[in-house]
Amino acid sequence: GQQVKQSSPSLTVQEGGISILNCDYENDMFDYFAWYKKYPDNSPTLLISVRSNVDKREDGRLTVFLNKSGKHFSLHITASQPEDTAVYLCAAGPGGNNKLTFGQGTVLSVIP
Amino acid sequence: AQTIHQWPVAEIKAVGSPLSLGCTIKGKSSPNLYWYWQATGGTLQQLFYSITVGQVESVVQLNLSASRPKDDQFILSTEKLLLSHSGFYLCAWSRRTGGQDTQYFGPGTRLLVL
Repeated sequence: GQQVKQSSPSLTVQEGGISILNCDYENDMFDYFAWYKKYPDNSPTLLISVRSNVDKREDGRLTVFLNKSGKHFSLHITASQPEDTAVYLCAAGPGGNNKLTFGQGTVLSVIP
Repeated sequence: AQTIHQWPVAEIKAVGSPLSLGCTIKGKSSPNLYWYWQATGGTLQQLFYSITVGQVESVVQLNLSASRPKDDQFILSTEKLLLSHSGFYLCAWSRRTGGQDTQYFGPGTRLLVL
């Protein structure tokens, strides 16, 4: 089954609003959680990542929230802008090796 | 600065024919290297990773193989392509830290098997 799931295939947000992207995972051994951004016909690039020893990490307009007991993590983008429009991929993996499992992606559209 | 190059950019191949995709990393010594695959409309899946020359770990079985003949080179291949091999192949690298670290992706190779 899908070990990392993004239940919303798409999300539309008004410019200036908060975009909230969600990701659920199944494997208790996952210790590393990341969000990647992908434009059409481009490769994914890392936005932000966290380890399981923290439940929140901020970087500018981006905040990752981790809920280990609920096996859930999310990405919040404040003051969303049209240039934030892209596909957002969550990814998770065990901390001790290099296996990384991606979600299906959520298409974020920020409309003016 | 590190650069990652994949070749070819795109390829159209016949079912049953062989395939070889390449990936090179410049400006970074002893990287971890990865192969990923994404079918059209599908999820990005990690296929292989390598932490050193001559060592490759298989993550997903897709009748493909990978090799790391040099520190900066990662090759994905098969002797007989299947229709299901069509998709987008991405190579990535990360620092060798003994665990998870940021993965940097290459530009990718688009493969169509007919």
